[in-house]
Amino acid sequence: SQQGEEDPQALSIQEGENATMNCSYKTSINNLQWYRQNSGRGLVHLILIRSNEREKHSGRLRVTLDTSKKSSSLLITASRAADTASYFCATVPYSGAGSYQLTFGKGTKLSVIP
Amino acid sequence: DAMVIQNPRYQVTQFGKPVTLSCSQTLNHNVMYWYQQKSSQAPKLLFHYYDKDFNNEADTPDNFQSRRPNTSFCFLDIRSPGLGDTAMYLCATSGHRDPTFGQFFGPGTRLTVL
Repeated sequence: SQQGEEDPQALSIQEGENATMNCSYKTSINNLQWYRQNSGRGLVHLILIRSNEREKHSGRLRVTLDTSKKSSSLLITASRAADTASYFCATVPYSGAGSYQLTFGKGTKLSVIP
Repeated sequence: DAMVIQNPRYQVTQFGKPVTLSCSQTLNHNVMYWYQQKSSQAPKLLFHYYDKDFNNEADTPDNFQSRRPNTSFCFLDIRSPGLGDTAMYLCATSGHRDPTFGQFFGPGTRLTVL
C-alpha cells in the first residue's frame, strides 16, 4: 500500500525561484528519503532525514520533518532548469514486517522554466 | 565508475511472450531490488535479494520471477506478459539491507507489451 503522498502533483516555476514540495505519510517511520527522477531515467537518492531529526540541509536542498503531523517538505532554493524532474519521497517503516522496504509516493513533477 | 546497468533500455514484447530483463552492478552490493513503475505512479517493490536470499512481496504476481546467479547480476523474468505489465522496471542495489543507507538505481528498462 502507498505510504507517502506528495503535494502538489505538479509544480511549474521560473528559474531562480524556490520550489517547495510536501510529503505526507501514514504510519510511524524510521526515516524518510527524497529521490529525484529525470524523465525516463532511474531514481537518484538526494537526502535522508531520520525520525529524530527536524531539519537537514544538503547544498540547495532543505528537508524538514514533522513526525507529529507525519509530513515532510523538500525545498529547492534558487532553482535551475536542470532541476526539472519528478521528486519522490520514500519512507522506511519504524519496525516490524516491511522494515526493509522503501515505500514511495507518487511524486511531484517539477518544471523549471529558463 | 561504479554503477548499476540495465539491459535492454527499451523492450517491446507481445502479449504472452516471455521476456527477461537484466541488471548488473559493479558496486559489489549484497542487496538487489526490482521495482515496477507504471506511468505517473510510484515505484512499487516487486522483490529483493539479500545475497542469495530471495524475498517476494506479498502482492507480486506469480507471473514475475527473479534469478540472481551471482553478486553482480540479477534477472527479472516475466513468464506471460499481459498488457497491464507495460511499465518501467527499475533495478536498485544497496550495500545494506537496512534501507537507511539509501539505494542506487539503474536507468530502468521501459517494457511495452503489445
